[in-house]
Amino acid sequence: GAGVSQSPSNKVTEKGKDVELRCDPISGHTALYWYRQSLGQGLEFLIYFQGNSAPDKSGLPSDRFSAERTGGSVSTLTIQRTQQEDSAVYLCASAVGPNVLTFGAGSRLTVL
Amino acid sequence: QKEVEQNSGPLSVPEGAIASLNCTYSDRVSQSFFWYRQYSGKSPELIMSIYSNGDKEDGRFTAQLNKASQYVSLLIRDSQPSDSATYLCAVMNTGFQKLVFGTGTRLLVSP
Repeated sequence: GAGVSQSPSNKVTEKGKDVELRCDPISGHTALYWYRQSLGQGLEFLIYFQGNSAPDKSGLPSDRFSAERTGGSVSTLTIQRTQQEDSAVYLCASAVGPNVLTFGAGSRLTVL
Repeated sequence: QKEVEQNSGPLSVPEGAIASLNCTYSDRVSQSFFWYRQYSGKSPELIMSIYSNGDKEDGRFTAQLNKASQYVSLLIRDSQPSDSATYLCAVMNTGFQKLVFGTGTRLLVSP
């Protein structure tokens, strides 16, 4: 597509529920990144994919967080048993190799 | 020590002045450096990239890199109220190709 597409744009869930966030990168972009941005804070690195593999998962906050990427394209970030501290904007970005990132509009997650 | 450090600001400058934004990083082997701009409620967008020591100019923007001092800066000449945003410094980790962001500096340009 023309840009990085993320869905849903907004998600409100109850504490303890699982959520899935989706990222559709720019066609041909091999690198895909997930970041989290809490209100008024900077971007917290979560995970990076090169193709379908994730060389660096060091940023995932806990084992409740997981991510996968299939076919070198769409990626899903799954948060199990959500907690209130998971509330944030989850940003996805893609790049041609580990270079200039283009960000999606983000998925705003609110955990009640 | 944080991997990428920035003063959170806000940095206030009058319209037409030069705004100077600074960033330091801890990983000495970092090779790629970026400045992103983020308007409130929006996603970051790339302004400048710089890979070698010295200055790189693009319109009203100049990025400066000093690898020996592990220091990156962004100068905005003739600042405009539309430049008011948060400016994020980002550093690429060559080992894992991880792009690490600072917490950003909020810039306010007053008319």
